[in-house]
Amino acid sequence: AQKVTQAQTEISVVEKEDVTLDCVYETRDTTYYLFWYKQPPSGELVFLIRRNSFDEQNEISGRYSWNFQKSTSSFNFTITASQVVDSAVYFCALRDSGNTGKLIFGQGTTLQVKP
Amino acid sequence: NAGVTQTPKFQVLKTGQSMTLQCAQDMNHEYMSWYRQDPGMGLRLIHYSVGAGITDQGEVPNGYNVSRSTTEDFPLRLLSAAPSQTSVYFCASSWEGDGWGMWTGELFFGEGSRLTVL
Repeated sequence: AQKVTQAQTEISVVEKEDVTLDCVYETRDTTYYLFWYKQPPSGELVFLIRRNSFDEQNEISGRYSWNFQKSTSSFNFTITASQVVDSAVYFCALRDSGNTGKLIFGQGTTLQVKP
Repeated sequence: NAGVTQTPKFQVLKTGQSMTLQCAQDMNHEYMSWYRQDPGMGLRLIHYSVGAGITDQGEVPNGYNVSRSTTEDFPLRLLSAAPSQTSVYFCASSWEGDGWGMWTGELFFGEGSRLTVL
């Protein structure tokens, strides 16, 4: 069965600290896709990144970076020099193996960045 | 370009009442789905559709009904509301690509509908 686990329920940091959000996934598929979404206090879901299973290069976008490791089935998300605006709930998700457009979400990690 | 539009944004129901959450997308996406979000449980799939006239159950379908008569619309019906259905509901759509690239697999979400059942 496919599953996504975000073991960190809540994280609190002080502004300018670096923070890493963990994501561990389970799948038997050899080709799969992983996602991160952000949900700010306003409630909408914002797409951050997609990663293909056959592309293990880490990705950096400004203060955001993602570390994909197939060996440990992890897709961790790091925010460098966190800011108050980064306060949100972050979801990691795995695309369902069927051709249905479904995503399997983790439980979410609530990040609070204090000034 | 409106994207995915959900209505209403807020609704309060009494136990046993029925209602329909509306969802419409203007991106000509084949795939549409409904998720519910509850504290500590992430987003769980209720129902999904891979095209007009085709629907299927997700992880938590009980108490909900859907139909997909057009590509654009995917309403979610609560047949007899229960307090356990108090949640935030998200509709999403996606384009599955044409096999030639430029596919992101991204789900486009509506703004959510907060439902309270008393």
